[in-house]
Amino acid sequence: GEDVEQSLFLSVREGDSSVINCTYTDSSSTYLYWYKQEPGAGLQLLTYIFSNMDMKQDQRLTVLLNKKDKHLSLRIADTQTGDSAIYFCAESGGGGNKLTFGTGTQLKVEL
Amino acid sequence: NAGVTQTPKFQVLKTGQSMTLQCAQDMNHNSMYWYRQDPGMGLRLIYYSASEGTTDKGEVPNGYNVSRLNKREFSLRLESAAPSQTSVYFCASSEALGDATYGYTFGSGTRLTVV
Repeated sequence: GEDVEQSLFLSVREGDSSVINCTYTDSSSTYLYWYKQEPGAGLQLLTYIFSNMDMKQDQRLTVLLNKKDKHLSLRIADTQTGDSAIYFCAESGGGGNKLTFGTGTQLKVEL
Repeated sequence: NAGVTQTPKFQVLKTGQSMTLQCAQDMNHNSMYWYRQDPGMGLRLIYYSASEGTTDKGEVPNGYNVSRLNKREFSLRLESAAPSQTSVYFCASSEALGDATYGYTFGSGTRLTVV
């Protein structure tokens, strides 16, 4: 079945860039997503990328997709303390399949 | 505000007790989902409902049952709670399975402890 993997923790200094990585196994993935979960809350969709794209930029967020290596990354520029959260990668397969989520990466932003 | 509402927010159960987690969405979505979130394991799908009148097992369905009461409501029942079911439970909805443009909308979660 599908598998989505992420590292569990990332710590950065305020103002630096953060890069959160994700690998997936389903080669038929149509869309890939990044969700953010703040403490005590549900997940919120940050951004998504279609599988025929290499990059998508949205303000401070840059998503890079390497389809050959099945590798997805989320770059947050000028990371702020408000960016501290858990970030989940997710993929949806072709044919309208439901989403498969990764384990989540906890981002800690230090002053 | 439009969205997914889960009740209760917190619950403590004794082993063997039963309870139902409620979920309702007001976005006219077709598909609804129940996930559990455990440290280091991400979100695991328990059950889902692609459309009103249908339900299917996800990755970890054992010990749970669901009911898609109508288009808005999707409940999760624990018939005989076990400590292994201590977790945070999330309900989510989407226009359709694997909806791309808007993804899934999540509720704020139910924190369940089984002692």
